[in-house]
Amino acid sequence: AQSVAQPEDQVNVAEGNPLTVKCTYSVSGNPYLFWYVQYPNRGLQFLLKYITGDNLVKGSYGFEAEFNKSQTSFHLKKPSALVSDSALYFCAVRDMKSAAGNKLTFGGGTRVLVKP
Amino acid sequence: ETGVTQSPTHLIKTRGQQVTLRCSSQSGHNTVSWYQQALGQGPQFIFQYYREEENGRGNFPPRFSGLQFPNYSSELNVNALELDDSALYLCASSVILAGPDTQYFGPGTRLTVL
Repeated sequence: AQSVAQPEDQVNVAEGNPLTVKCTYSVSGNPYLFWYVQYPNRGLQFLLKYITGDNLVKGSYGFEAEFNKSQTSFHLKKPSALVSDSALYFCAVRDMKSAAGNKLTFGGGTRVLVKP
Repeated sequence: ETGVTQSPTHLIKTRGQQVTLRCSSQSGHNTVSWYQQALGQGPQFIFQYYREEENGRGNFPPRFSGLQFPNYSSELNVNALELDDSALYLCASSVILAGPDTQYFGPGTRLTVL
């Protein structure tokens, strides 16, 4: 079975400071990893994904994520946070060996609050 | 904008009723997945349709059913509604080719069961 953990319910950061949102995963095979962001009363917006290759993945709006196989982590980062980055962030994993189509398993989400 | 649309935006039903939610996939996408997002939680996979056939299912009872049409629009049907069915229902479309696909989500339908 595949699972995702986002250990922090909320992350507070001052505008202009680095932002990190943590994610760890568990799969039986090799993982596909995704980050999505959700603004109030909106669906999920795709930020970036890791499939294979370079462990540092760059995505939309200046976000990047680092895949660490030994620590089974896929932390989301942004060098300089903006107030407009305040939202709910979800990490998701798909197991390459999963028989359930391309089912994504999501973490519980981390609320990011960027203060001016 | 992802090009994935859902209707209606909000819906209120009473326990025991039936509901149909609709999704229109992004142009060119041949796969649609449905997720349930309860308040304060991450989305939970309900099922996926590929070329009009169910192609994977999560831990949801049979009263959750779906359809995918040739034009890649989709429906989620829920029978015998229960209070715990109150949630945001998200559809996501993607195109399955040789490699892993990215799912693009619609804005969701907020279902309230009273």
